[in-house]
Amino acid sequence: AQTVTQSQPEMSVQEAETVTLSCTYDTSENNYYLFWYKQPPSRQMILVIRQEAYKQQNATENRFSVNFQKAAKSFSLKISDSQLGDTAMYFCAFMYSGAGSYQLTFGKGTKLSVIP
Amino acid sequence: EPEVTQTPSHQVTQMGQEVILRCVPISNHLYFYWYRQILGQKVEFLVSFYNNEISEKSEIFDDQFSVERPDGSNFTLKIRSTKLEDSAMYFCASSRDRGLNTEAFFGQGTRLTVV
Repeated sequence: AQTVTQSQPEMSVQEAETVTLSCTYDTSENNYYLFWYKQPPSRQMILVIRQEAYKQQNATENRFSVNFQKAAKSFSLKISDSQLGDTAMYFCAFMYSGAGSYQLTFGKGTKLSVIP
Repeated sequence: EPEVTQTPSHQVTQMGQEVILRCVPISNHLYFYWYRQILGQKVEFLVSFYNNEISEKSEIFDDQFSVERPDGSNFTLKIRSTKLEDSAMYFCASSRDRGLNTEAFFGQGTRLTVV
């Protein structure tokens, strides 16, 4: 079974600072994707960034980047130059293609507050 | 920008009652999903739906649950006889295709409270 663990239920960061959200996962699969989703208060969950397990290069999307350590099964999200609009719940998620299944497996989430 | 919409945002129902949660997926998407999150727990997969039939379901999705696409736009989740433990946030999602690199688009969720 695949599991995703986010060990930080809540975090806060000062505006313009950098913050790193942790995520670890457990799987015996080799071919999979990892995702970070963001859910602002009362809004839709939106995809922030994704990483293919076969790619060694860490994914980057503007101020968002990941540190993907495949051997350690770690997939942390770094947010640089934090903005008030980054205040949200962040979910780490995993997807693999075992037996034709493409369901997302999520962590519990980390509530991030950006402080002015 | 197109988005997945869910109604209602909050539903309160009495134990044993039937409830229908509604979703309008993005119009050109072909795959539809329901997930749920019990307070303080992980977001869990319930079911996926394609071509008017269930393509995959989890252990949670028992006979009390059903899904339907009654017309060309709506995608519904019905809970036949609600239990207290069905209280959760229910998320609908849709995607254009299916695969590891597929982006699923989520709705804002319906908070179901069973009393």
